[in-house]
Amino acid sequence: LAKTTQPISMDSYEGQEVNITCSHNNIATNDYITWYQQFPSQGPRFIIQGYKTKVTNEVASLFIPADRKSSTLSLPRVSLSDTAVYYCLVGDTAWDKIIFGKGTRLHILP
Amino acid sequence: DAGVTQSPTHLIKTRGQQVTLRCSPKSGHDTVSWYQQALGQGPQFIFQYYEEEERQRGNFPDRFSGHQFPNYSSELNVNALLLGDSALYLCASSSLQGRYGYTFGSGTRLTVV
Repeated sequence: LAKTTQPISMDSYEGQEVNITCSHNNIATNDYITWYQQFPSQGPRFIIQGYKTKVTNEVASLFIPADRKSSTLSLPRVSLSDTAVYYCLVGDTAWDKIIFGKGTRLHILP
Repeated sequence: DAGVTQSPTHLIKTRGQQVTLRCSPKSGHDTVSWYQQALGQGPQFIFQYYEEEERQRGNFPDRFSGHQFPNYSSELNVNALLLGDSALYLCASSSLQGRYGYTFGSGTRLTVV
């Protein structure tokens, strides 16, 4: 399983775009990149998943360069409710146990 | 469509006791994984069940055991509780062929006193 490295914490302001970058130098050919969001005392919530280039859904975008050794989660126009821990995970199919790192604590300021 | 349901939501147990936590997976999911999350840490993988068998296991002692039933629901059992077992226990479900990540429940907060 590829190890991931992401910033421990980030601060931003309401209305700003936030980009969280994750490094995964040992990503395997079959690995997908998945991001989760977790609020205190709740389970992680799936945000977005991608394999290459760019993926966008109603809440975020995921940018993956051609070498796939990193990825960037982009949250447009954040609000106070986006304050949470964000985890970047890399892995293959549902067979693989997904391994969480320490995540990035995002704090949105008014 | 219900997501992942865990029970109970909170539990207080005494050192040395045994506890059973329950999980009902999201409709259409057949794989259940259990995680332990200590305060301020990321979730740690305990084990995964598929077709009523333990398929993968993390670095947890044998005091942690589980079961999956024919309806895909699952139980996590912890024997001889230690103070260090106090944590949020998360259940996550997925489908074998799924490429869309795991769905997590809200967890069971276990406090060992």
